[in-house]
Amino acid sequence: NAGVTQTPKFRILKIGQSMTLQCAQDMNHNYMYWYRQDPGMGLKLIYYSVGAGITDKGEVPNGYNVSRSTTEDFPLRLELAAPSQTSVYFCASSYWQREGYEQYFGPGTRLTVT
Amino acid sequence: GQQVMQIPQYQHVQEGEDFTTYCNSSTTLSNIQWYKQRPGGHPVFLIQLVKSGEVKKQKRLTFQFGEAKKNSSLHITATQTTDVGTYFCAGDNYGGATNKLIFGTGTLLAVQP
Repeated sequence: NAGVTQTPKFRILKIGQSMTLQCAQDMNHNYMYWYRQDPGMGLKLIYYSVGAGITDKGEVPNGYNVSRSTTEDFPLRLELAAPSQTSVYFCASSYWQREGYEQYFGPGTRLTVT
Repeated sequence: GQQVMQIPQYQHVQEGEDFTTYCNSSTTLSNIQWYKQRPGGHPVFLIQLVKSGEVKKQKRLTFQFGEAKKNSSLHITATQTTDVGTYFCAGDNYGGATNKLIFGTGTLLAVQP
């Protein structure tokens, strides 16, 4: 299993540009999440999904959109990029099990908006 | 909104010394998870605590969940250079329906050989 994969690894955007961060998992997990991590800070939840066709906002959803058409994929769309969106973006997935439901993280996408 | 704070923000120890990080939530949690993030890496799950007063051990790591389920701690005995990284607690107070976590601010551990 590849686990959780994210593309691209790095990206530089100009202010006002748009892009889609890709996330895929091959573990058949129902739950998927997008986080952003600013330098020296914790992770903030942007959006999450509990299954295909179901998404909901997290703590910091403004400026982002998501879709979940399949169990495997959970892309994050940035419209009209702003410098405040410079961050490292992590995708994660999980499933419920009796002993807990750890989140598996992808390697991250480092995004700079200038 | 709900907040999860960790102290200290940064700890520098000599190899072999002990280390503890504390996690405090503004609300009661249904469970708490701990993650480790190596420099430049992604968070990796360490453990989950569910019961009030629960204590779990993983080799040199000891995790505790407070009686009121609002605080937790991670203690590392005899640190090694491989322990370097940022330790995050993450709380779930949504009844476990979505595993929607609120991450703490993290504690960066530096270990000098």
